[in-house]
Amino acid sequence: DTGVSQDPRHKITKRGQNVTFRCDPISEHNRLYWYRQTLGQGPEFLTYFQNEAQLEKSRLLSDRFSAERPKGSFSTLEIQRTEQGDSAMYLCASSLTGEPGELFFGEGSRLTVL
Amino acid sequence: AQKVTQAQTEISVVEKEDVTLDCVYETRDTTYYLFWYKQPPSGELVFLIRRNSFDEQNEISGRYSWNFQKSTSSFNFTITASQVVDSAVYFCALSGSWAAGNKLTFGGGTRVLVKP
Repeated sequence: DTGVSQDPRHKITKRGQNVTFRCDPISEHNRLYWYRQTLGQGPEFLTYFQNEAQLEKSRLLSDRFSAERPKGSFSTLEIQRTEQGDSAMYLCASSLTGEPGELFFGEGSRLTVL
Repeated sequence: AQKVTQAQTEISVVEKEDVTLDCVYETRDTTYYLFWYKQPPSGELVFLIRRNSFDEQNEISGRYSWNFQKSTSSFNFTITASQVVDSAVYFCALSGSWAAGNKLTFGGGTRVLVKP
């Protein structure tokens, strides 16, 4: 399968713990996006990378959130000191240069904070 | 700021009925792109169509058709002769130019339930 893959698919954690999600984009895609989706809502933009450079972060991305994309390949999204309000589906997407907006999404990583 | 509104939260139809999903958008960009994505129960968002702000030609692709009207800032989507497999959440989305990052602003989604 050469699509976008995310790991883990599900994570249950206790409030205050740190969690990390990984995203492996389609190999030739140079843009990578993170979105958050809560139940019954549309996805909300968090941040995006072009190659290894993080070009934009949403105001939704508090100081407890950090994303990296070393070497412009896979990306990680870490949430420190999780709160119950962080419970959501975290979606990763990648895109190809020159194809505006046609994002290829992974199946998401569902976070439940108890 | 960009905004996408999908006023219908859920639509339930019987198989073979037509379904039209409404989408209204707001943007100050002169160049922008509109999209429809489908999210089946598995959760993975699937791209259906893209339209740029200069292309108001409506399109039919199989059982899907789209109606883009810039004058009313609407980009509606119709499924003709619906099938059970069409059951999913459908999202309308908007983005600016590639140079602006192409990040998508999604509407709240419309859940379509097609009953046999």
